[in-house]
Amino acid sequence: GQQVMQIPQYQHVQEGEDFTTYCNSSTTLSNIQWYKQRPGGHPVFLIQLVKSGEVKKQKRLTFQFGEAKKNSSLHITATQTTDVGTYFCAGLRGGKLIFGQGTELSVKP
Amino acid sequence: DGGITQSPKYLFRKEGQNVTLSCEQNLNHDAMYWYRQDPGQGLRLIYYSQIVNDFQKGDIAEGYSVSREKKESFPLTVTSAQKNPTAFYLCASTPDRLDTQYFGPGTRLTVL
Repeated sequence: GQQVMQIPQYQHVQEGEDFTTYCNSSTTLSNIQWYKQRPGGHPVFLIQLVKSGEVKKQKRLTFQFGEAKKNSSLHITATQTTDVGTYFCAGLRGGKLIFGQGTELSVKP
Repeated sequence: DGGITQSPKYLFRKEGQNVTLSCEQNLNHDAMYWYRQDPGQGLRLIYYSQIVNDFQKGDIAEGYSVSREKKESFPLTVTSAQKNPTAFYLCASTPDRLDTQYFGPGTRLTVL
């Protein structure tokens, strides 16, 4: 079926280290969205990428959309304890949003 | 205060009972969605509705039913036919189906 693969499933880092999660689709996506879900909370929209090769930044977060519009990444520079949570990518394909499995980030102070 | 509300936050039911989860939004959004979240599996689409009185099955609709009689409301019924109903259920809405999704706080359903 339709899938958007996201890796890794879990990532444990020391505060101050960088973190990256990757998202891959076997088919071209119209756009890709990223969400963050804090422990016990609900997903909250972070950003949307639409153009091939697009790069967007939000403070310490950098989002990329691949040239072929099949993959994306989220990179966090110098993680902080406030970054903990699960990060989901979601690809828009055929009018439906397909979520990746999420990457759960834990940050050790 | 605009947003999406889901109630209750926690729900316990006995096996074999139907249960209805509430989702209300006052954002004037046309499209509404129901997702199921299980550990390590991300969000899976159950049903979605783009306009009042119309809805479509998502990827895991079996054992679930919905209605969309009002723009603001999109209740989900978990029927006894759902074999593994214990999960975290999230409702979302968007201004249109191509837009970003606004999620409610979720309902954690436990079937005993």
